Formats: sequence, C-alpha cells, structure tokens
Amino acid sequence: GAVVSQHPSRVICKSGTSVKIECRSLDFQATTMFWYRQFPKKSLMLMATSNEGSKATYEQGVEKDKFLINHASLTLSTLTVTSAHPEDSSFYICSAVPVPDTQYFGPGTRLTVL
Amino acid sequence: GEDVEQSLFLSVREGDSSVINCTYTDSSSTYLYWYKQEPGAGLQLLTYIFSNMDMKQDQRLTVLLNKKDKHLSLRIADTQTGDSAIYFCAEKGNQGGKLIFGQGTELSVKP
Repeated sequence: GAVVSQHPSRVICKSGTSVKIECRSLDFQATTMFWYRQFPKKSLMLMATSNEGSKATYEQGVEKDKFLINHASLTLSTLTVTSAHPEDSSFYICSAVPVPDTQYFGPGTRLTVL
Repeated sequence: GEDVEQSLFLSVREGDSSVINCTYTDSSSTYLYWYKQEPGAGLQLLTYIFSNMDMKQDQRLTVLLNKKDKHLSLRIADTQTGDSAIYFCAEKGNQGGKLIFGQGTELSVKP
C-alpha cells in the first residue's frame, strides 16, 4: 500500500517551454502532497506544500509563478515548470501523506532543459 | 532552527553490520524517519520511530533513539550489496508536517 507515482519519469524540453509533472497517490487519498527538488549528490529541498482544494504554500525563495502547483483532487497534484531554463534542470520528487506524519515518495522525474 | 546532520559516507563489507548515525536539533520532533534512495529513484520509507520510543526493530533494521542526546541511528544487520544506496534521516518539523532531511549517508557495500 501507499504507492505514489510520478509521470513522466524523464523529460527533455527546449528552453522556454513549459513542462507539467504529475504526482498521483495510487491506493490512498492524500489531502497533502509535497514537492521537492534534488540536485546531484544533494539532499532534498522542499519547494512547496500542496493542499487539496486550496493554494499551495511555497518555501522561501521558490517562485510561485514559475513553479505552478495544482492539487485538483485527493489523488493528483501537478507541478508545472513554466518557461523552463537550463538552471531548472533537476530531479523533482513529490510525496503524499496518507496518514498523519508519514510521507510516501514518488519515484521522481528527471527534467533536462536544453 | 531545525537541523539534521549525517555523515556523508559509510563503507562496509558484505555480511557485516552497518550503522548510520544522525543527530537533530528539534527536541519537539514527534516522529523520526529513515528513507532509502537508490540511484535515479525516489525515496523509499524504510522505517520510522515515534519520539517516545527508544528502539524499534524490523527484520534486519534496528532503529535506536536517544532523545536526550538527540541522536538517531539505523543499524542494518547482515548488510548486502543490494543495501548500497543513500540513506536519509528526517524529522517531522513543527510546521505543517514538513520533513527536515539530513544530507544523506552514502552506504557502499563491498563484496
């Protein structure tokens, strides 16, 4: 149980385009999902907290107009990287919370911006 | 503020025990977690411990918590090459369920 999926697992796009990444909880409902960014050989950096039916809460320094988060249902949150640039290339991971105090993570999405 | 520290590397031989250590600063943490990350993959929850427990054992994994010293450890018995990965400890912060992660310990298991 508590499986989280992400789609796509890997994406390559041209600079200036937008990319949407989906995070789904497959066998549970999640009122809260988190989006992280991970640089090579580094720990996870929390970008935002996504709450179903309300606006996401962004961490300091994360541009909310650049990283659009929509948590439209209890099983789906999306992260859209708008007007992507090479510095946005990273490993993006989501997590979902099925029960209080435990996060289950998706497999991650490798974004490469050329 | 909240901070979680781990050593960056650990190398062991197959069959030995591995002990990965972690220290944290937030004494109000309610849950502490160990996650495993294999190359190119997301994080897999290995185990977690509630702050009023001293020890939790699950098959080859043993978690020890010293709340006085704010020290958490993960012991992997009979370490296998498949255990090679990065291990993150994390504490649940006091704001909205966010997790505070350590830098990750890269475990290398040599045959």
